[in-house]
Amino acid sequence: DAGVTQSPTHLIKTRGQQVTLRCSPISGHKSVSWYQQVLGQGPQFIFQYYEKEERGRGNFPDRFSARQFPNYSSELNVNALLLGDSALYLCASSLAGSGNTIYFGEGSWLTVV
Amino acid sequence: QKEVEQNSGPLSVPEGAIASLNCTYSDRVSQSFFWYRQYSGKSPELIMSIYSNGDKEDGRFTAQLNKASQYVSLLIRDSQPSDSATYLCAVSLNNAGGTSYGKLTFGQGTILTVHP
Repeated sequence: DAGVTQSPTHLIKTRGQQVTLRCSPISGHKSVSWYQQVLGQGPQFIFQYYEKEERGRGNFPDRFSARQFPNYSSELNVNALLLGDSALYLCASSLAGSGNTIYFGEGSWLTVV
Repeated sequence: QKEVEQNSGPLSVPEGAIASLNCTYSDRVSQSFFWYRQYSGKSPELIMSIYSNGDKEDGRFTAQLNKASQYVSLLIRDSQPSDSATYLCAVSLNNAGGTSYGKLTFGQGTILTVHP
């Protein structure tokens, strides 16, 4: 079975630009969450979506937005990119609910120059 | 105080030794605890989950949870050079509705090096 798939794997953007990252969850998983991992730190929670509704949001500015589609895939959008947005963006999927195992995709490496 | 703290590392152990990784968390309502392994340039990979007080063993890995002390640890027996990676402790926090909906709070990670 396919795991969590993310695209693109690597991208370089200029300050002020916008970026869209895409994620397809494991088949049957209805919950998708997004994390940002800056070099040398643990992942930080950005968003969680379940059944196409936002269920949680981390401490990130409004420049960050996301959505989930009827097929449970998801997009993360970041506007007005800053140098500090350079990070590994991880998508994770799970069945739902408390304690369910969360599986990560390979991530999208974003470099802002 | 950080929500999840790990021993700062880096931790270096000889091949065949036991590696001990520690993690403390601040929120007493935390219910689910995970250890992820992350190789350089790769995404986190789940290696252990634990939900109840006590020990849970899986091959060379043992997770230990003490909710009263808000402490979770990971022991790696017979450490191998292939175990060299960053180990991330993650905690699932229940919201008022009793479900975490996929939110994990991670520690900063501990870099483990196993030398031959």
